Amino acid sequence: EDQVTQSPEALRLQEGESSSLNCSYTVSGLRGLFWYRQDPGKGPEFLFTLYSAGEEKEKERLKATLTKKESFLHITAPKPEDSATYLCAVQANRDDKIIFGKGTRLHILP
Amino acid sequence: KAGVTQTPRYLIKTRGQQVTLSCSPISGHRSVSWYQQTPGQGLQFLFEYFSETQRNKGNFPGRFSGRQFSNSRSEMNVSTLELGDSALYLCASSFESGTGYGYTFGSGTRLTVV
Repeated sequence: EDQVTQSPEALRLQEGESSSLNCSYTVSGLRGLFWYRQDPGKGPEFLFTLYSAGEEKEKERLKATLTKKESFLHITAPKPEDSATYLCAVQANRDDKIIFGKGTRLHILP
Repeated sequence: KAGVTQTPRYLIKTRGQQVTLSCSPISGHRSVSWYQQTPGQGLQFLFEYFSETQRNKGNFPGRFSGRQFSNSRSEMNVSTLELGDSALYLCASSFESGTGYGYTFGSGTRLTVV
């Protein structure tokens, strides 16, 4: 069964303290792995799509990497405005269904 | 460019009633997906429509249904509402760019069943 597990569930960091969020996945034939950011009361905001192991993408203070079993979202020198829930999702080649993880709630303290 | 628009933003319904939610995708996007988000289960896929045809369906009971119109606007209907249907319902349309593809979400409809 296709599955996505995100860790940790919640993370509190001081402003400027870099860290990584983990997304472990099991899928039969990966079509794409997505990272989203979600603020309270809003829909998820698209960040990245990764397609194959070894791929990396960057946007401002965020960098996403992908291996055959997991993806990491690295946050470098975060600011309070980076506080949000970060969601990981995978899409399988077999049926194109998208499965989301439960997310990591990130809180950056000023 | 306008984003994905969902209406209404908030809705309160009584158990046993039915409800219809609306989604207008980004202009030019032909694929629309629906998701249910709850604190316990997170985001769960409901169904996807492309060019008025249901292309994919998640594991939800038949009370949940949808359709897509020729202008790509989509509606989702839930009949015989249950308390457990209280959730944020999100709609997304797919996009492709030079760096790949992804999904743009609307702000959602918050449904409360009492």
